[in-house]
Amino acid sequence: EAGVTQFPSHSVIEKGQTVTLRCDPISGHDNLYWYRRVMGKEIKFLLHFVKESKQDESGMPNNRFLAERTGGTYSTLKVQPAELEDSGVYFCASSVHWRNTEAFFGQGTRLTVV
Amino acid sequence: QKEVEQNSGPLSVPEGAIASLNCTYSDRGSQSFFWYRQYSGKSPELIMSIYSNGDKEDGRFTAQLNKASQYVSLLIRDSQPSDSATYLCAGNTDKLIFGTGTRLQVFP
Repeated sequence: EAGVTQFPSHSVIEKGQTVTLRCDPISGHDNLYWYRRVMGKEIKFLLHFVKESKQDESGMPNNRFLAERTGGTYSTLKVQPAELEDSGVYFCASSVHWRNTEAFFGQGTRLTVV
Repeated sequence: QKEVEQNSGPLSVPEGAIASLNCTYSDRGSQSFFWYRQYSGKSPELIMSIYSNGDKEDGRFTAQLNKASQYVSLLIRDSQPSDSATYLCAGNTDKLIFGTGTRLQVFP
């Protein structure tokens, strides 16, 4: 069974440009999460989808970040326009159930904004 | 105060010893806790979950939870150099809240 897959693995963009990250969860996992780790800090929650619906987007930094999960399968996270402080590793995770359940992570996308 | 706190380490132990990793949390609403292992440049890998007070053993790993003290720990018996990684503690209510991780170094 394939795990959580993220594309691209690395992205280097200039300030002001747009970047779109993609996450393919484990098949059958209705719950999909985006997390981010900024250098030296802990992994922080961004948002949570249950199927195609946003369950919790309280961790999204600002309106430059837009996440979608059309059809309840893969998800995209778009940053537009990117700022220097958006640099970090963006992780996607998925789980079968919602609360108190094991979540499995993708390998992450390392985003560098220069 | 951070919601989940861990000592950043590094924690250095000799091969064959027991490594003890600790974590405290502030949200009493957290019902479940997870330990993830993360090698440098890789994704967090789930190694243990614990939902109730007491100990849970899986191979060389034992997770301990004390909800009254808001304390979670992970013991690694017979530590191997391949266990060298960052260990992330996470509490779960509606989402995972992570600590900053403890870096473990197991030397031969």
